[in-house]
Parts: sequence; structure tokens; C-alpha cells
Amino acid sequence: SAVISQKPSRDICQRGTSLTIQCQVDSQVTMMFWYRQQPGQSLTLIATANQGSEATYESGFVIDKFPISRPNLTFSTLTVSNMSPEDSSIYLCSVDGGWGNTIYFGEGSWLTVV
Amino acid sequence: KQEVTQIPAALSVPEGENLVLNCSFTDSAIYNLQWFRQDPGKGLTSLLLIQSSQREQTSGRLNASLDKSSGRSTLYIAASQPGDSATYLCAVTYSGNTPLVFGKGTRLSVIA
Repeated sequence: SAVISQKPSRDICQRGTSLTIQCQVDSQVTMMFWYRQQPGQSLTLIATANQGSEATYESGFVIDKFPISRPNLTFSTLTVSNMSPEDSSIYLCSVDGGWGNTIYFGEGSWLTVV
Repeated sequence: KQEVTQIPAALSVPEGENLVLNCSFTDSAIYNLQWFRQDPGKGLTSLLLIQSSQREQTSGRLNASLDKSSGRSTLYIAASQPGDSATYLCAVTYSGNTPLVFGKGTRLSVIA
């Protein structure tokens, strides 16, 4: 299995600021995925991050708002830029474990924008 | 459009009951299906993974079945306990190394 650490686990942010979420995996993985879960909703994919290439964003998500870095095979960051209350969500990092393709998730980063 | 639907949205049962959660998906050409558990404000814990060639998987009191041709999966929980209270999410993927498509989940409450 893969162990994924996310930081911060929780934060309260001021409107208009930006916050970077870190995701660290205990093994090398090809692809990392970033999801958003708004209150009471299911998970929505933001983007897929491959090491050494630009992230691929889903419809409704843009790089200026959610820039992603993937500097190596065990680490990625997601920045939520110019935050508004609508960005209050849990942001989750996930990876394909490669062992039967089980998908593993971090504990999530719970952001509240005030 | 690939969609995953979970029924019911919420379920409340007395402790000790057996229960079934349902998941359906519109595109039956799945690669695999995964059931997750999510506790409030937390991340997701993988419960069971069923490959498209498999019909069921079991882990302890949990049994997940897959009927790919009809686009359905069920998660059976035997002898439910209050600690089983959580949201259960079903998700499918359509090829290796591709992201999951999630249902909205079933919120389960097991009453002692």
C-alpha cells in the first residue's frame, strides 16, 4: 500500500490569499491526482499531475486558480489562489498504488475561507 | 457522460443488521471498481477493489459484488456495528492510471 501525507490538515484562510497544499508519498508513483470535495458533496477531480510535465486540468478548473507542481515522483503541491468562500472544501491528493491499481488517498486538507 | 449513482443517499439501521449499499454506473466498460469509506472531515480509506474480470471481493464483514454487464455493484455489510457509521463511496476507473469517477456516497448510521 501507499502512505500519503498531506499538509496542512486544516486551515482557516482569509479571502484573497493563497495557500499551498503539500502531498508526500512514501514510494515513487507515476501519476498523482488532486480532488476537491465541497461540503456535502462527492469528490471532483481537479487535475492529474505527472512528474516532468504540465498538469492536466479538468473542465472548470484552470492553472491560474489551481497551480500544481510535481518536482519528483514522490511529491506534489496544489495551490489554491485568490481564495473566496466558495473554495472552502476538503482537498485530497491520491495516487495509483500500482498494486492491482488500488487508489490511495491522503487524509485531506480542510480549508475554510472567511 | 460517465456517471456513478449510489442508492440510498442515507441509511439508518439498528446495530446487528445486515445491509446492502448500491452503486450503478452508466458506462459498463470499467477497468475496476473501488469502495471507500470516509469519516466526517477525513480522507478516504479503501475498502475493496474489484477488477473488471472479478465478480466479488470479501474483506471481513464486507462483501462487494460486481455485475459489469448491468452496470451495478453492491456492498454488503454483515452484522453492522456503530463503528461502521460513515459515508461509503463507490468509484470506477476506465483504464489503468486514470482517475476515479465517484458517486455521491451513502451516509450510513448504525444505531446502538
